[in-house]
Amino acid sequence: DVKVTQSSRYLVKRTGEKVFLECVQDMDHENMFWYRQDPGLGLRLIYFSYDVKMKEKGDIPEGYSVSREKKERFSLILESASTNQTSMYLCASNTGAHEQYFGPGTRLTVT
Amino acid sequence: DAKTTQPNSMESNEEEPVHLPCNHSTISGTDYIHWYRQLPSQGPEYVIHGLTSNVNNRMASLAIAEDRKSSTLILHRATLRDAAVYYCILRGVSKETSGSRLTFGEGTQLTVNP
Repeated sequence: DVKVTQSSRYLVKRTGEKVFLECVQDMDHENMFWYRQDPGLGLRLIYFSYDVKMKEKGDIPEGYSVSREKKERFSLILESASTNQTSMYLCASNTGAHEQYFGPGTRLTVT
Repeated sequence: DAKTTQPNSMESNEEEPVHLPCNHSTISGTDYIHWYRQLPSQGPEYVIHGLTSNVNNRMASLAIAEDRKSSTLILHRATLRDAAVYYCILRGVSKETSGSRLTFGEGTQLTVNP
């Protein structure tokens, strides 16, 4: 059974903190994605990666960075968290042009 | 990416068929039509996709208009567990989309009444 896991379901951080969101997939997928989901705005792509150490900006990369040191792991980093980064963060993976598999999401609150 | 238009919400009764429409009048010849759904408190999950011909799988059927400017996701017998937001997405096939990125709209909130 395919699986994408995210390190936390819920996270509360303070403004200015550095935040790491981890995503792991066990399907040997080349491509991994980070989205954020907000009411009224739908899912928006932050960053994606199509290979180890490769990354591409999505539609809203400002305030975020990513790291992909191993094929199975894709990390989203908020260098200095701000309240407007309070959101649901979703990780996904796929191979080639096939369907994306999503993790359960991390609901991040920045206070 | 070409844009899709879906109704904000739809209602259905349990055990009845549901037809979820999607308009994509600016679709290009190489765009695939994908459907995902998102159950409450979960990440989206893949439902079905197609290019030109109608498609069936264990979850649903996809009917694509002959001119490909619209499509319909069909749930043959809705259950309470089908209550979700359904997203219709166009995915192009090109070098620029080698990562298979998807652009999600707002989707259709399906309510299933017992």
